[in-house]
Order: sequence, then structure tokens, then C-alpha cells
Amino acid sequence: QVTLRESGPALVKPTQTLTLTCSFSGFSLSTRQMYVSWIRQRPGKGLEWLALIDWDDDKYYSTSLKTRLTISKDTSKNQVVLTMTNMDPVDTATYYCARSFGVGDFDYWGQGTLVIVSS
Amino acid sequence: EIVLTQSPGTLSLSPGERATLSCRASQSISSNYLAWYQQKPGQAPRLLIYGASSRATGIPDRFSGSGSGTDFTLTISRLEPEDFAVYYCQQYGSSSFTFGPGTKVDIK
Repeated sequence: QVTLRESGPALVKPTQTLTLTCSFSGFSLSTRQMYVSWIRQRPGKGLEWLALIDWDDDKYYSTSLKTRLTISKDTSKNQVVLTMTNMDPVDTATYYCARSFGVGDFDYWGQGTLVIVSS
Repeated sequence: EIVLTQSPGTLSLSPGERATLSCRASQSISSNYLAWYQQKPGQAPRLLIYGASSRATGIPDRFSGSGSGTDFTLTISRLEPEDFAVYYCQQYGSSSFTFGPGTKVDIK
């Protein structure tokens, strides 16, 4: 059974760095063609893909946010970590991690974690 | 970056009716990399269709996807009460993913 769960602070201040952890089970990120992405959704808005890491430790980022994002993995712990620097109130959103097996679609999602950016 | 446009923005229908949702891409995409998701309030998106026309595991056969190139369609043959939700299309290309803005299917 595949599960993903996001964790991290619910509230961050402007200019701070956000660190989110995706803990997963039911699959291994060392399996070929396995990927984990971060996707966010601002309140009442659509979905925005942020970053992806693959089984071979290749990393891909949203063009508009790449200077602020870092994605990494700890295969032994079954975790993927996303850091986002210089947080702003417009970054207030629910942040999801999601799995892809074979690039193209996200077949399993975490329940999401709401991050509010406010002083 | 490929931009996805979805229409209509809102679709008001009654249970039992047929829903036809459109997703148009700003440039041609591989059908292998077009997916559809359903999202209900307070829930994560759920994968419905991948590869433009393949149903994900456990998805009822009233959901179907079609299309190629720049024009794709999600059809719900007979709306059930649980199908009223927001639907997103999504594409992958050039190491990047984009989502459409969504179509809300609500009860008429």
C-alpha cells in the first residue's frame, strides 16, 4: 500500500526558509523510473508543480521558482525534503508531495500540509 | 512552457447527465503525458486518466479520456452525486509539468 505524508511548519514568517518533508511507504525511491514531486495549491486556486526528484537523484524545478527551491532525498529513510527560501505571503498554500512511476502523471498523493506565511 | 487551457470554467449539470470537459494545450504534447485528476474540497487530487485515455486503478468506466496533439477531452458518461468536483488536466514535457486551471462540475 502506497502512502505519502507531508510534514513541516504550519506557519512561517516572511523571508524565512521553509523546509517540508515527505515521508512515504509502499515503494522505494531507488526503484528505476520512480519519482517524487512537490506540488502546491494556493487557497481557492489551481495546482502548481514545484520540483521533482528521481530514482537516480536527478532533480528538476519549476522555471519560475528554481532559484528558491532545493529538493533532496534520503532513500534509507524513505523521505524527500523540499526547501523554499525567502518565503512570502503569496507562498501561502497547501503543499502536496506525489509519486510518479514512469514520468507523466502523479498516481499517489499525500493529504497535503497547509503552510501560512505571515508575520 | 506548455500552457493548458480548460473549458468551460464551470459546468452545471444534473445527476445522470453527460459531462464533457475540454483541455487544450498551447503546443502539441505526447498523449503519453496527458492526465486528468478529480479534486473534492479538502482532499488531494485523485488520478483518473493517464496517457490521455487509460483509466487509473479503481476508476469507474463512466470516466473516459480521449484526444491527441493539442486537444483532449474528459467525458463522464452519467454523472453520479460523487462526481461533482473540480477536474484538472496535466501534462509533462521537457522536464516540467503544468496543470490546467480546472473545470468545476457542479449540481444544476
